[in-house]
Amino acid sequence: GQQLNQSPQSMFIQEGEDVSMNCTSSSIFNTWLWYKQDPGEGPVLLIALYKAGELTSNGRLTAQFGITRKDSFLNISASIPSDVGIYFCAGRYNFNKFYFGSGTKLNVKP
Amino acid sequence: GAVVSQHPSRVICKSGTSVKIECRSLDFQATTMFWYRQFPKQSLMLMATSNEGSKATYEQGVEKDKFLINHASLTLSTLTVTSAHPEDSSFYICSALRDGDNSPLHFGNGTRLTVT
Repeated sequence: GQQLNQSPQSMFIQEGEDVSMNCTSSSIFNTWLWYKQDPGEGPVLLIALYKAGELTSNGRLTAQFGITRKDSFLNISASIPSDVGIYFCAGRYNFNKFYFGSGTKLNVKP
Repeated sequence: GAVVSQHPSRVICKSGTSVKIECRSLDFQATTMFWYRQFPKQSLMLMATSNEGSKATYEQGVEKDKFLINHASLTLSTLTVTSAHPEDSSFYICSALRDGDNSPLHFGNGTRLTVT
């Protein structure tokens, strides 16, 4: 199916640094979702966004639903080693159509 | 709430045999579930949409006779990999969509299939 453009593909950062990743699409989405996947496990929902312009936080994580409905970003503040993993964005087109980004692999150096 | 249980987490089988993977929504009803395949270092590739009480909708290039999907109840979908071959070895993940609201997808923990 359709893929979202997610960037960056990978990041190598020092513990304590802030992180930002984003997704863009040529299509308008009704919902933006951010997931984290650890090796050998399924993705876990981090943040769900339902309205254009919505800014939502979950602990050190903050995500925004772009005003054009074609993009979203995820920020992680003060990263820690357990933030390591692959982060996926997902856009919901209608009730049962979801499209996924290619993932951002985050590496955190203690 | 919104827990999805996938079983088994790992399975090794011989070529030519069939393997069944179960996906259960434990605390909600899910008319719609999805099956994905994930190759190393890649994103989720949608294989099919599983619909309770009707036939699954397969994505282009996915063989429906090879990957049998049965969504027998509002909380259970199964994926059977028939006549498995080594190239079917992969990480398979299911997800479930809670009925009736705008809730997000919730994923199972995945199944690592190895065909020898």
